[in-house]
Amino acid sequence: ETGVTQTPRHLVMGMTNKKSLKCEQHLGHNAMYWYKQSAKKPLELMFVYNFKEQTENNSVPSRFSPECPNSSHLFLHLHTLQPEDSALYLCASSQDWGIEQFFGPGTRLTVL
Amino acid sequence: QKEVEQDPGPLSVPEGAIVSLNCTYSNSAFQYFMWYRQYSRKGPELLMYTYSSGNKEDGRFTAQVDKSSKYISLFIRDSQPSDSATYLCASAGAQKLVFGQGTRLTINP
Repeated sequence: ETGVTQTPRHLVMGMTNKKSLKCEQHLGHNAMYWYKQSAKKPLELMFVYNFKEQTENNSVPSRFSPECPNSSHLFLHLHTLQPEDSALYLCASSQDWGIEQFFGPGTRLTVL
Repeated sequence: QKEVEQDPGPLSVPEGAIVSLNCTYSNSAFQYFMWYRQYSRKGPELLMYTYSSGNKEDGRFTAQVDKSSKYISLFIRDSQPSDSATYLCASAGAQKLVFGQGTRLTINP
């Protein structure tokens, strides 16, 4: 595996479900990010981790819970989501905080 | 006001045309200006970036920044069908990176 991988690629869940998104980077980077991409909206930064420590939380609702067990893995735990949370969730990594961020292919999430 | 504004398009041009993609930004602290390209079902990838004002050329692509007018441009010469993608501009400074909405570009053979 190379670059940044994300699983699953597609996820459909009900509003009462609990699920997790997984991201893994094979680039040796120490910073990882979660972004939300909705149609016709800018990429929205959700969380930033640097050396496994959360350094940014952009006023994200508590129904999204990130976890970074080490600098190669990042999770986004989801519970009691709303239909407006349906979007493409992208994970990215970089060496320190950087303008060149390497993105995974994303998880397409649909909340019914 | 959004910190980075970009016309979402879509934009459709014939193969071989010169393409001009544009963004404006509002934060004077931004020093880095990037263009990311996102193919369908893929994540964005950095295409090129410039620091402060000026031009940068890479093959058929030219990035241009005018800080006096807070205007960011990407020009694609001799456009190819393989250039069809969504292009996202982004600006950064003081550990803050902000993306535009992205412009969906289609190059027709």
